[in-house]
Amino acid sequence: EVQVLESGGGLVQPGGSLRLSCASSGFTFTTSAMSWVRQAPGKGLEWVSTVPVSGGVTYYADSVKGRFTISRDNSKNTLYLQINSLRAEDTAVYYCAKGGPWGGYFDSWGQGTLVTVSS
Amino acid sequence: DIQMTQSPSTLSASVGDRVTITCRASQSINSWLAWYQHKPGKAPKLLIYKASTLESGVPSTFSGAGSGTEFTLTISGLQPDDFATYYCQHYLSYPFTFGQGTKLEIK
Repeated sequence: EVQVLESGGGLVQPGGSLRLSCASSGFTFTTSAMSWVRQAPGKGLEWVSTVPVSGGVTYYADSVKGRFTISRDNSKNTLYLQINSLRAEDTAVYYCAKGGPWGGYFDSWGQGTLVTVSS
Repeated sequence: DIQMTQSPSTLSASVGDRVTITCRASQSINSWLAWYQHKPGKAPKLLIYKASTLESGVPSTFSGAGSGTEFTLTISGLQPDDFATYYCQHYLSYPFTFGQGTKLEIK
């Protein structure tokens, strides 16, 4: 069974940093693109970032570019999101999502981890 | 960036009804479109990819259609478990974008 489990969320002050993790199992992590998607309170889903299989080129939404860094450790089947210079508008549930085998859709998702940015 | 617009934003229906949700892209995305179901506090669930391909394990009461800029998700014979929020998402190129969501409510 495919499982992705996020951790690392919490309450952080504006300007602070967090590192989110996503532990994966039940599929071949090394051959799957991985992404982060977030949902702010009362809002819809927002794609945040994707790291392809190779982990070389990475992609970001304009709203997080320069502040967030996605990475993967294929030896640990784990995805990361380093989030810096946090703003109130970054408050959201952050979901880890596995890329589908036929393109940029997301075929398995975690339950999410909540990041709250507040003083 | 490609904008995705869903309609309606809210849809009220009864168990057994057939409903259709529309998703429009601001430019052609061929068939690079996915649909998801999302319930509060749960992980989103993939329903359909490549506009009309049903994900394994998803009931055949769900169907997708369209290409280019206009797409539909149809649920035939609504079940109580189907009441949720539905999102479309394009994956033609980065940045990927989602529609704003359609909340399907019980009438």
